[in-house]
Amino acid sequence: DAKTTQPTSMDCAEGRAANLPCNHSTISGNEYVYWYRQIHSQGPQYIIHGLKNNETNEMASLIITEDRKSSTLILPHATLRDTAVYYCIVPRLGLDRGSTLGRLYFGRGTQLTVWP
Amino acid sequence: GAVVSQHPSWVICKSGTSVKIECRSLDFQATTMFWYRQFPKQSLMLMATSNEGSKATYEQGVEKDKFLINHASLTLSTLTVTSAHPEDSSFYICSARFGGLGNTIYFGEGSWLTVV
Repeated sequence: DAKTTQPTSMDCAEGRAANLPCNHSTISGNEYVYWYRQIHSQGPQYIIHGLKNNETNEMASLIITEDRKSSTLILPHATLRDTAVYYCIVPRLGLDRGSTLGRLYFGRGTQLTVWP
Repeated sequence: GAVVSQHPSWVICKSGTSVKIECRSLDFQATTMFWYRQFPKQSLMLMATSNEGSKATYEQGVEKDKFLINHASLTLSTLTVTSAHPEDSSFYICSARFGGLGNTIYFGEGSWLTVV
């Protein structure tokens, strides 16, 4: 089961910023926060990930609170093509063959609908 | 960026037969790949972790004899659904980690399996 909590759905007007929240209150110090999105009938698309500092790339910005218990994914200028289910994930660490792996367990995510 | 490719994109097979799905990391080596299954209107469910050169690690409730995983090289993992039944019809998705812990996990495009 997922270690994160997200709203079930959100709406956003095209051209406006979409701010998607995520709570991960049980996150530990060395665990990353990953964001993916899935457009219908496609594999998930990587968006961004971070540990403690805010991150930005060509797709989005990730704002992580100082206590790391929550984060917000920001799509600065949403388009219709950004309509998708957005997943906030904290990988589960474990030991396998002596290596530390991070498995991604998906929750239900947030269905973002961008309106024209 | 890194790319993960699956083949076939879709397949239809008869009940009782076996079907193989391939997952390739196209421009990086992946010692670990992951297999997921997704039913309509549901989230992705992790099935197993595929380790190059060793046995796969299956999630609780996933039958290892039903879903055979082979990770024979650093760029290829295969999932074989044996003795397929209509209830195995689903969207199967693989992913691979690029780099070590804290680096990016990329997903394939997914493979639709329909068992008739």
